[in-house]
Amino acid sequence: DTAVSQTPKYLVTQMGNDKSIKCEQNLGHDTMYWYKQDSKKFLKIMFSYNNKELIINETVPNRFSPKSPDKAHLNLHINSLELGDSAVYFCASSQSGSPGYTFGSGTRLTVV
Amino acid sequence: AQSVTQLGSHVSVSEGALVLLRCNYSSSVPPYLFWYVQYPNQGLQLLLKYTSAATLVKGINGFEAEFKKSETSFHLTKPSAHMSDAAEYFCAVIPTGANSKLTFGKGITLSVRP
Repeated sequence: DTAVSQTPKYLVTQMGNDKSIKCEQNLGHDTMYWYKQDSKKFLKIMFSYNNKELIINETVPNRFSPKSPDKAHLNLHINSLELGDSAVYFCASSQSGSPGYTFGSGTRLTVV
Repeated sequence: AQSVTQLGSHVSVSEGALVLLRCNYSSSVPPYLFWYVQYPNQGLQLLLKYTSAATLVKGINGFEAEFKKSETSFHLTKPSAHMSDAAEYFCAVIPTGANSKLTFGKGITLSVRP
């Protein structure tokens, strides 16, 4: 039973397309995140939701829109994809008051 | 903002040799500290974490790290490297306080020579 699962694992798409990545956690955590890992393997937080409410929104183009239908799900929709969006996107979850994040296995997005 | 510094980008050791990966944090108040490992084409796995309990933290796969407040360090060690330890290692920090986020160092690649 995967704790944090992301779909799809790989995504290849053309510039200008719109795509979504889905994330689900079965740990009962109340906070979920999206991180981006660039080609140099640097990891940077993009968004954080606590109980479906956006609490962290780093400097991310507004082509990226997270959506949390409930506290177990956090999806990432990307409009008008650009070459620079190619990266690995990781979903994570945590529980308030308990330090430590659990990460999904990542979605490798390639924009051609 | 609190951060962690991982010096160097690549460490190479022989199989059976000591592994030492360095991490320093910038904070006057000890934060929560973590080491994560990423094997090739895989996700991030928690190796160990420091949350203000014991200063010597033991993790999975024989790794351990020691929190040293006087040196603002949290270096990762393993007495004897195995070929399967070859991976990317990330030190990360969560500052104490509300809505704090996990912030990663730039990572370091560990190679193990036979």
